[in-house]
Amino acid sequence: ETGVTQTPRHLVMGMTNKKSLKCEQHLGHNAMYWYKQSAKKPLELMFVYNFKEQTENNSVPSRFSPECPNSSHLFLHLHTLQPEDSALYLCASSQDTGSSYEQYFGPGTRLTVT
Amino acid sequence: GNSVTQMEGPVTLSEEAFLTINCTYTATGYPSLFWYVQYPGEGLQLLLKATKADDKGSNKGFEATYRKETTSFHLEKGSVQVSDSAVYFCALSVGGYQKVTFGTGTKLQVIP
Repeated sequence: ETGVTQTPRHLVMGMTNKKSLKCEQHLGHNAMYWYKQSAKKPLELMFVYNFKEQTENNSVPSRFSPECPNSSHLFLHLHTLQPEDSALYLCASSQDTGSSYEQYFGPGTRLTVT
Repeated sequence: GNSVTQMEGPVTLSEEAFLTINCTYTATGYPSLFWYVQYPGEGLQLLLKATKADDKGSNKGFEATYRKETTSFHLEKGSVQVSDSAVYFCALSVGGYQKVTFGTGTKLQVIP
């Protein structure tokens, strides 16, 4: 596998369910990101991790719980979600040093909350 | 703060037409600038980048020039194809890896 992979690609869950999204990067990067992409809204940065340490949390509700066990893997644990949480969740990675920090994205998980 | 402003879409063009998607930015500091593309059902892919003033990024026939004096990074392509139909995002990074700001995206539809 190369690049950034995400599983599952599609997920339908009820508001009382608990599920997890998984992201894995094979690029040797140190920084990983979760974004939320909703229709007709700008890309929303949710969390940033660097070497397993969370460095950004953009006021995300506690029903979203990230986990970064190592610099290659990132999870997003979901529980008691709301219908408005339905969106495409994108994972990305980048270097944390250098001059330009271009990000490499996975294909996303399309989440539907019923 | 930092911000990126893109032209509203959707943009609809005929095949082989000339494309311009405008992007302007405000930033504290000296940003690097990017264009990302998102094809239907996929994540964002880096299309091109420029890291200093007057640099021209180019890839797959697309070009954008870093204009510091006008704080702009407009995306251009001389002859679009149906396969270029996608959403295009302008972005900047300044002040560290976690400081990336995306524009709202511009949807391009190319018709045969």
